[in-house]
Amino acid sequence: DAKTTQPPSMDCAEGRAANLPCNHSTISGNEYVYWYRQIHSQGPQYIIHGLKNNETNEMASLIITEDRKSSTLILPHATLRDTAVYYCIVRALYNQGGKLIFGQGTELSVKP
Amino acid sequence: NAGVTQTPKFQVLKTGQSMTLQCAQDMNHEYMSWYRQDPGMGLRLIHYSVGAGITDQGEVPNGYNVSRSTTEDFPLRLLSAAPSQTSVYFCASKPTSGGANIQYFGAGTRLSVL
Repeated sequence: DAKTTQPPSMDCAEGRAANLPCNHSTISGNEYVYWYRQIHSQGPQYIIHGLKNNETNEMASLIITEDRKSSTLILPHATLRDTAVYYCIVRALYNQGGKLIFGQGTELSVKP
Repeated sequence: NAGVTQTPKFQVLKTGQSMTLQCAQDMNHEYMSWYRQDPGMGLRLIHYSVGAGITDQGEVPNGYNVSRSTTEDFPLRLLSAAPSQTSVYFCASKPTSGGANIQYFGAGTRLSVL
């Protein structure tokens, strides 16, 4: 599985866009980029995933570079409730055990 | 929608005691799994199941047993608790073992072993 690298922490002002980067330079052609988040003391929550095209849903947008070696999760209008640890995970669509490998993630603090 | 329900939310055990952490989902998902999360570390997979009657080990299975007699339930058993098993335990499920890795997590069980 491709290894991911994320900054350990970031700050964002409430109402502004939060842009969370992830480096996955060893990603394989069949591997997707997934983003999950974990709000303090809660279980992880799925946000979005993509293969090579940019994706958008009601929670966020995912921008994947053309060479697929990095991606950015965008929360367009961050609120205090978006304060959480955000995990970037790279996994093939079909993988043994459905295992998600959670690294250290990025701790996003949204400030008033 | 209840989603993934874990009980109990908190538990304190003495070393050597046994207990079962319960996990139930009402989404008819084939795949279920257990993770543990220790301070400063990411989640680590303990056991998983791709359907009723089928279970397999994850990366940290020692000290834990599982069974899957129904689609809905996936209990995690600690036969003889040890302080090293103090952790937060999360159960997760997804529709099938293949397909997109979109998993739904429970709220967690916080376990302390004294």
